[in-house]
Amino acid sequence: DQQVKQNSPSLSVQEGRISILNCDYTNSMFDYFLWYKKYPAEGPTFLISISSIKDKNEDGRFTVFLNKSAKHLSLHIVPSQPGDSAVYFCAASERGGGGATNKLIFGTGTLLAVQP
Amino acid sequence: NAGVTQTPKFQVLKTGQSMTLQCAQDMNHEYMSWYRQDPGMGLRLIHYSVGAGITDQGEVPNGYNVSRSTTEDFPLRLLSAAPSQTSVYFCASSYSGVVGGGYTFGSGTRLTVV
Repeated sequence: DQQVKQNSPSLSVQEGRISILNCDYTNSMFDYFLWYKKYPAEGPTFLISISSIKDKNEDGRFTVFLNKSAKHLSLHIVPSQPGDSAVYFCAASERGGGGATNKLIFGTGTLLAVQP
Repeated sequence: NAGVTQTPKFQVLKTGQSMTLQCAQDMNHEYMSWYRQDPGMGLRLIHYSVGAGITDQGEVPNGYNVSRSTTEDFPLRLLSAAPSQTSVYFCASSYSGVVGGGYTFGSGTRLTVV
């Protein structure tokens, strides 16, 4: 049972345009959401996160939106650059007894290709 | 500052063999975890540890064993390798209770079981 779902295995956009990567989740106990970026033959690197008490978080060209009622989050990259081409993973953390826990559940990833 | 170091980078095992994947971090992180990445499956949690002497199971723990005798090291043992354990394995670490900053991942170990 996949608790974190990324239904688009791949996405192709033109350089300079907006990239929108989507993620859905089923567990209402998730209270922290993160996006990771992964290049081939490297480990994932942390990109941006959002707490469940917020609906938007922005960091430069990257913005994450959270819609709790729909259990949906999205990552917007604008403008997209060829160097953004990578696999993007959505991840979620479940609320523990003492607050947020470190245990992350990952989605299956979306391969973003930014065409020059 | 080396971050998270995984060894070996590549390994080929025969079915039934055992081996240990090494993971070490030099950031004094309390939390460490092991994930495997398979095509179409994303990253799945195998085992994790919230500190020295404390470990717990993740989503796919069967066939793997861990221990945490020091803060720095978190080895993953394959007891009797099976072709289904062919995968890329990632070790990650973070400070406990600081989810927002995310994990630091190692560069991975690509394991093939024949």
